[in-house]
Amino acid sequence: GENVEQHPSTLSVQEGDSAVIKCTYSDSASNYFPWYKQELGKRPQLIIDIRSNVGEKKDQRIAVTLNKTAKHFSLHITETQPEDSAVYFCAASKGGSYIPTFGRGTSLIVHP
Amino acid sequence: SAVISQKPSRDICQRGTSLTIQCQVDSQVTMMFWYRQQPGQSLTLIATANQGSEATYESGFVIDKFPISRPNLTFSTLTVSNMSPEDSSIYLCSVVASEYSYNEQFFGPGTRLTVL
Repeated sequence: GENVEQHPSTLSVQEGDSAVIKCTYSDSASNYFPWYKQELGKRPQLIIDIRSNVGEKKDQRIAVTLNKTAKHFSLHITETQPEDSAVYFCAASKGGSYIPTFGRGTSLIVHP
Repeated sequence: SAVISQKPSRDICQRGTSLTIQCQVDSQVTMMFWYRQQPGQSLTLIATANQGSEATYESGFVIDKFPISRPNLTFSTLTVSNMSPEDSSIYLCSVVASEYSYNEQFFGPGTRLTVL
């Protein structure tokens, strides 16, 4: 089955810096890669996703890049703010299967 | 987006008892799932709740321990049976709705279970 590795497990940055979280996947048939943000005590919420037919997607301060050849994708957050502090999960799933495999999560801490 | 509610939001239970968690969605959805999230950990899929048939369980989870019902396209229950302290966790309902973005998954608020 699919295996998703996520790094780092913890990331500490100063407000205004950029943050990058990286994930690798094992199944070359995977074609959908969502990212979820989970604030303390709350539910995971989708913040951005990318499909295998594109290499990059942006939404304001966040962006995701995908390298299908290397089977890795990354989340980029620019101009970080304290409210970006949360656990971020990457995931990968195959076409026809709605069940993603999640990474282990990255705890992002943004210091004011 | 799909609006998902869960009941109870939290509970403290005694060892050996059972707890049933309810998940209600505000619209008909294609697929419903149950996840477990232990403190500081990732999301572990327990099973896919199938409407009108038995749930599909992931490796390590069995029907006798986690019976699941899904009587219609908007509602599901998960029972945690014969509980032990190791079952203390957050249990999350999740849905994929075909009428929304392809493969977008929504999560319920979770049920925080503590077993003494």
